[in-house]
Amino acid sequence: DTEVTQTPKHLVMGMTNKKSLKCEQHMGHRAMYWYKQKAKKPPELMFVYSYEKLSINESVPSRFSPECPNSSLLNLHLHALQPEDSALYLCASSPGQGLVEQYFGPGTRLTVT
Amino acid sequence: GESVGLHLPTLSVQEGDNSIINCAYSNSASDYFIWYKQESGKGPQFIIDIRSNMDKRQGQRVTVLLNKTVKHLSLQIAATQPGDSAVYFCALRSPGQLTFGSGTQLTVLP
Repeated sequence: DTEVTQTPKHLVMGMTNKKSLKCEQHMGHRAMYWYKQKAKKPPELMFVYSYEKLSINESVPSRFSPECPNSSLLNLHLHALQPEDSALYLCASSPGQGLVEQYFGPGTRLTVT
Repeated sequence: GESVGLHLPTLSVQEGDNSIINCAYSNSASDYFIWYKQESGKGPQFIIDIRSNMDKRQGQRVTVLLNKTVKHLSLQIAATQPGDSAVYFCALRSPGQLTFGSGTQLTVLP
C-alpha cells in the first residue's frame, strides 16, 4: 500500500467553527508533513513530525494545531480560521525526515467563509 | 531565505515532442534537487532527483540536468504524452525539509 489518504476531500467552515483534517498512511513511514497550497502556487511546508514528535513548525499561526496520535495518523485541528486560510491542505509522508521522495495525499480543499 | 524560481509559468508542446522545463535557484547549500509532478486534483508526485555532485541523471523518459555554476536545473521529458500534462515543480532539499519552486504548467497539444 503506497497510498496516503486524506479526509475529508472538501470542507467548508465558518470562522467560528472547529474542524479537523485527517491523514493516514500504512507504509511504515516515520516522517509526516502538512503543507498548505494556494491556487497556482507551490506547496508551503507547515509542520513536520518525525517519529511522532513535532520536528518543524514553520511559524504557523496557533489556529492550526497538528497532532500525531500514532505513526500512521496525522491530524490538523482547525479553529477560528480566517478566509485567507482557504487553500488545499496536503499531507505527505516519507520513510524518514528530509528524504527527497515524499508521498503526498490528494489533499483537503478547505474553504473558510 | 531560499529562492526557487521557474523561467516560464506555462509551456505547451505537441504530443511526441520533447519538453524542457527550467528552474533557477539561489541556495548553493542544497544537496539534492528534485522534480515533482502535480496533476489536477492530485497531490504532487516524485519524478526524479539529482545529487549536487552530479550534473545529469536519467530516468524513464526523463532527464534532469544540474548546472551549479549558473544555479540552474532542468527537466527534459522525451516524447511527451497527454498524460504528462500537469504542473511541474522543482524543489531543493534543506535540512529536514523540501522547498518547492513556483511551478510550470505543461500542456500537451494533440
